[in-house]
This record gives sequence, C-alpha cells and structure tokens, in this order.
Amino acid sequence: QKEVEQNSGPLSVPEGAIASLNCTYSDRGSQSFFWYRQYSGKSPELIMSIYSNGDKEDGRFTAQLNKASQYVSLLIRDSQPSDSATYLCAVYRGGADGLTFGKGTHLIIQP
Amino acid sequence: DTAVSQTPKYLVTQMGNDKSIKCEQNLGHDTMYWYKQDSKKFLKIMFSYNNKELIINETVPNRFSPKSPDKAHLNLHINSLELGDSAVYFCASSQDFTAGGHEKLFFGSGTQLSVL
Repeated sequence: QKEVEQNSGPLSVPEGAIASLNCTYSDRGSQSFFWYRQYSGKSPELIMSIYSNGDKEDGRFTAQLNKASQYVSLLIRDSQPSDSATYLCAVYRGGADGLTFGKGTHLIIQP
Repeated sequence: DTAVSQTPKYLVTQMGNDKSIKCEQNLGHDTMYWYKQDSKKFLKIMFSYNNKELIINETVPNRFSPKSPDKAHLNLHINSLELGDSAVYFCASSQDFTAGGHEKLFFGSGTQLSVL
C-alpha cells in the first residue's frame, strides 16, 4: 500500500526563522519525491523535486531525502509571510500510477 | 494563456444528476490526470490517461468516467451524483509519465463541486 504521511499542522513559524516540514513514505520502490505548495483556494504548484539521497537547494528552499529511513523534508530559510500555505509531499513510484500525495502541512509564518 | 484550463470553476447540483467537467491543456503534454481533493485537503489521483491508455484508481466508483476526444482534452463525467462526491476536482498534465518527464505536474485551477 502506497502511503505518504505528513503532520497536518498548523505549523507556526516566526518570520525570518527556518521552517522545517517532514514527510515519510511507505513504498520502498518510490523513485522521485516532490514538494508542492498550495495556497488556499488555489491549485498546487511544484516548488522542489529530489531523486537521490542528500540535500538539494534552490534559493531559500532545501529538500532532503533519506531513502533508508523513507524520509523527505523541506526546509524554508528566512521564512516570509508569503510562504504561508499548505505544503504537499508527493511520491512517484514509476509507471502510470501518478503521484501519491500526503495530506499536507499547513504552514503559518507569523510577521 | 492558461496552460491547463478546466471548466466550470464552480458546479452546484442536486443528488442523482449527471454532470461533466471539461479540461484542456495547451502544453503538448502526453499525459493527463484527474485528482480529487476532499474537504480535508487530501489530494488523491482518480485517473491517468496517456496515449489512449487509461489507468484507473481502483477506489474510484464506476459512476466516474474520463473521456478523451484528443490528446489535449480529458473530460470527467459523473453519473448519479452523491453527497460524498462534493470536493474540488483538479485536472493536471505532465510531459510523460515515465521517470524523467513526470516530475512537473501542471494543475488546472480546480472545479469546486457541491452536491446538495
């Protein structure tokens, strides 16, 4: 059974601090891992993808992957109020199954 | 120009009715999808459609049926609507569902379906 687990939050972080979002997945055959951001009433948008163990940085965002622990995380440095959104972790196993999403973590950046 | 467009944005209807949601993508992508997001914001795949190959999530009731007149369109038909069908339905597309081209899903703006 493919499952992606996230703490639903809300996670409250002061402006300028580091926000840390976590995700675990159950399917060891998973190949690719993604973080999507969804603002209230809007559609999800891709912000990070990661395929191999380690860290991947893009601007203020860092994705971390540990396949042995089946764990993915997203760090947001210098958090801004505009980062307040729901962050969806998604996992792809391969083939035509599409992405399996977690339930999302609601992040609130406090000014 | 909107990459993935779906209509209508809002759909309010009575139980038992049949309704359709349309989706079009102008990105030249090979694969299109329908996702359902329930009230708890859980986003779950319903169908993927690639080069006339339909992959169905086994949990989707057969009242739901995708129709693809061509590669750029994937419509969703729902028969005998039930209260539990109320949700936001997202259409999405990607270049190719094989690894390497799948990573970026482009989502439509969503259709808020309310069944009364």
